[in-house]
Order: sequence, then structure tokens, then C-alpha cells
Amino acid sequence: NAGVTQTPKFRVLKTGQSMTLLCAQDMNHEYMYWYRQDPGMGLRLIHYSVGEGTTAKGEVPDGYNVSRLKKQNFLLGLESAAPSQTSVYFCASSNDETQYFGPGTRLLVL
Amino acid sequence: QQQVKQSPQSLIVQKGGISIINCAYENTAFDYFPWYQQFPGKGPALLIAIRPDVSEKKEGRFTISFNKSAKQFSLHIMDSQPGDSATYFCAASMLPGGFKTIFGAGTRLFVKA
Repeated sequence: NAGVTQTPKFRVLKTGQSMTLLCAQDMNHEYMYWYRQDPGMGLRLIHYSVGEGTTAKGEVPDGYNVSRLKKQNFLLGLESAAPSQTSVYFCASSNDETQYFGPGTRLLVL
Repeated sequence: QQQVKQSPQSLIVQKGGISIINCAYENTAFDYFPWYQQFPGKGPALLIAIRPDVSEKKEGRFTISFNKSAKQFSLHIMDSQPGDSATYFCAASMLPGGFKTIFGAGTRLFVKA
């Protein structure tokens, strides 16, 4: 089992560009999450999904959109990147209280 | 009311010593308290967790102490090793699901050999 995988690992964007981060899990988990991690601020939930075809806003959703067309995949989109979105993005999945995290995507917005 | 306050921000411990990280929460609706360990360049991974009906949980060198009345919980790492050097996050969750999980800001632990 690969667990939770994320692509890409690293990306540099210019302000205003768009991109999509892909998360995939092979554990048949119902719940999936997108977090951002910034120094001194821990992990903050951007969006989450409780099942295929469902999405909901987390703590810091502005500037991001998500889609969960397939149970194993959860996409995070940035329509118009801003320097404030420079961060490390983690995807996670779970079926119960234990969340399993991917290795992260480091995003730099210039 | 949704915050989880974690301290200290960083911690340096001698090999063989005890590392102690503290967390405090405000919302009494939280019913699951995990600790995650994160190594550089990796995602967080569950280390140990506790539910509020238990005051202590031990797994190997790692122990969670939980004080429900004070709304505080702490992680103790006994016989700390250089391989324990990582960032530790406490969290508080409302089950089911992790979408009501609030993470602390993290503690960077360095164990000196």
C-alpha cells in the first residue's frame, strides 16, 4: 500500500497563476482533508470531504477550491495564486479518528 | 474557544532525559486527543492518542497525561533519544471524523547526543 500520495512535491508559481494539487489514497478511506502548514501555526484545515462527491469548507478556505469525483482522489485548486498561499500543503485521509498524512507539497508563490 | 495552545515552541533535551510538551484546550466538546510526530520533509504521523475518560496512556517510552478538569494534556518522552528529534503536534478532535480537529502550533524537539 502506498498510503496517501501527493503530487507535485514542489512547485513555484507566479502571482495570479493557477494550479491543482492532487491527493490519492489507497486505503478506501471515506474522509479526506487538505491542510496547510505554516511556521508557528500548526496545521490548518482548508477543505474536507466526508465521501465521494461531497466537499465542505474548513478553517481557511478562501482562495481554494476542491473536488472529490472519485473516492480515492481529492483535488485542491488555486485559481489565482497569491504570495500568502506560499505554504506546505498536506493531504490526509481517515475512516475513524486516525488521520494518515501524505508527504506534503511545498508551494512557493512569487 | 476552538484553540489548542501548545508549549514550549522548542525544546532541547539531553539523551536519556525526559521531554515534556504541554497542551491546553478550551472546548469541552473535544473527545479525542492525539499527538502527531513529524520529521523534516515528511507528513505528520500519529504517535499516541487518548480519550478523556482515561487520565494516562503509555506506549513504550511515550506517555500522555490527561487532566480533564484543567483541560490540559501533556506528552512525556522518557529516555529521549536523538531519533526522537522531530516536531510534535498535539490536537483535539470532536468525533466522528477529523474535520473537527484543531492542532497546536507544534514543538520542535532536539535531543542532544
